[in-house]
Amino acid sequence: DAGVTQSPTHLIKTRGQQVTLRCSPISGHKSVSWYQQVLGQGPQFIFQYYEKEERGRGNFPDRFSARQFPNYSSELNVNALLLGDSALYLCASSLGPVSSYEQYFGPGTRLTVT
Amino acid sequence: DAKTTQPTSMDCAEGRAANLPCNHSTISGNEYVYWYRQIHSQGPQYIIHGLKNNETNEMASLIITEDRKSSTLILPHATLRDTAVYYCIVRVRTGANNLFFGTGTRLTVIP
Repeated sequence: DAGVTQSPTHLIKTRGQQVTLRCSPISGHKSVSWYQQVLGQGPQFIFQYYEKEERGRGNFPDRFSARQFPNYSSELNVNALLLGDSALYLCASSLGPVSSYEQYFGPGTRLTVT
Repeated sequence: DAKTTQPTSMDCAEGRAANLPCNHSTISGNEYVYWYRQIHSQGPQYIIHGLKNNETNEMASLIITEDRKSSTLILPHATLRDTAVYYCIVRVRTGANNLFFGTGTRLTVIP
């Protein structure tokens, strides 16, 4: 079975632009979470979606938004990019929304903002 | 979720056991200890978790002290492929499914 897939693998954007990152969960998984990992730090939680509804949000500005589609795939959108948004963006999927369900991570999308 | 403290980095000789410590002195009775690792340029990977009893799976063993204030992840025979950042996370299993990562321990397995 395929694991969590993310696209694109790498992305270069300019300050002020907008970006959309995509995630496909493991088949059968209904929950998707997004994390940001800045170089040298651990991943930081951004959003969790379950059954197309937002179930959790981390301490990120409103420039960050996400959505989940009926097939449980998800998109993360970041508007008005700043240099500090340069990071590895990780998607994780799980069967359910609570912490008793293990999370499986994708390889990430590396975003560089210049 | 309780805060954890881990050494910044550790080295281990290939073939030897790697023992990675984690302090979680403020852990609550319903919080579990989880370990994840992140190999360079990959997403984090679940390793093992436990509440108060020692646990073992095909990847590693988890030893939790009797007072539950600290734990040790043991990789019994470290290989070069075990070189990674290892994260110790303490969390309940009934709450929201979001993980709070610290900076972890960078384990380097030396040939």
